[in-house]
Amino acid sequence: DAKTTQPPSMDCAEGRAANLPCNHSTISGNEYVYWYRQIHSQGPQYIIHGLKNNETNEMASLIITEDRKSSTLILPHATLRDTAVYYCIVMLMEYGNKLVFGAGTILRVKS
Amino acid sequence: GAVVSQHPSWVICKSGTSVKIECRSLDFQATTMFWYRQFPKQSLMLMATSNEGSKATYEQGVEKDKFLINHASLTLSTLTVTSAHPEDSSFYICSARELLNTGELFFGEGSRLTVL
Repeated sequence: DAKTTQPPSMDCAEGRAANLPCNHSTISGNEYVYWYRQIHSQGPQYIIHGLKNNETNEMASLIITEDRKSSTLILPHATLRDTAVYYCIVMLMEYGNKLVFGAGTILRVKS
Repeated sequence: GAVVSQHPSWVICKSGTSVKIECRSLDFQATTMFWYRQFPKQSLMLMATSNEGSKATYEQGVEKDKFLINHASLTLSTLTVTSAHPEDSSFYICSARELLNTGELFFGEGSRLTVL
């Protein structure tokens, strides 16, 4: 699996957009970018995934650069409940493939 | 969305005893499930891949005789920590993907094991 690089921590004001960057410069052409988050003492929660096009769902937006070497997860209006560790993972979309977690980014949303 | 449930959510046991943790996919079938371990302030570490009807595949450095995995049906995988010791105290998390879905992986709520 390609490695990803994320900042160790970020702060965001409540109500503002949180933009979490991820570098994956060695991503291969058929690897997807996945984002998960983990709130303290809970299992990880799926947020979004994409291949090359930008994606949006009810939780977030995923912006992938044209060269696919980096991406940004956007939480449009962060709330205190969005405080969590956010993991960016690249992986082939095949059934038996395993998700390997890096260190992630601790996002602290402050009032 | 699909739900993965773990039981128990927390357990305390004495050193030397064995503890079984169950992982169930509640509304979907999964031939493959994954087990992770997480120590405080660390990321999730993949322990093994659980395969329905066959032996689990363990990651390097994970003792298969210590962490017994059984995947007897398409909706249940179990992890047994044998002869548990205080250093086995950790947060154990399972995950599963729907049989015909190659997209998102669903995670259980986790099971916190404390060995005294």
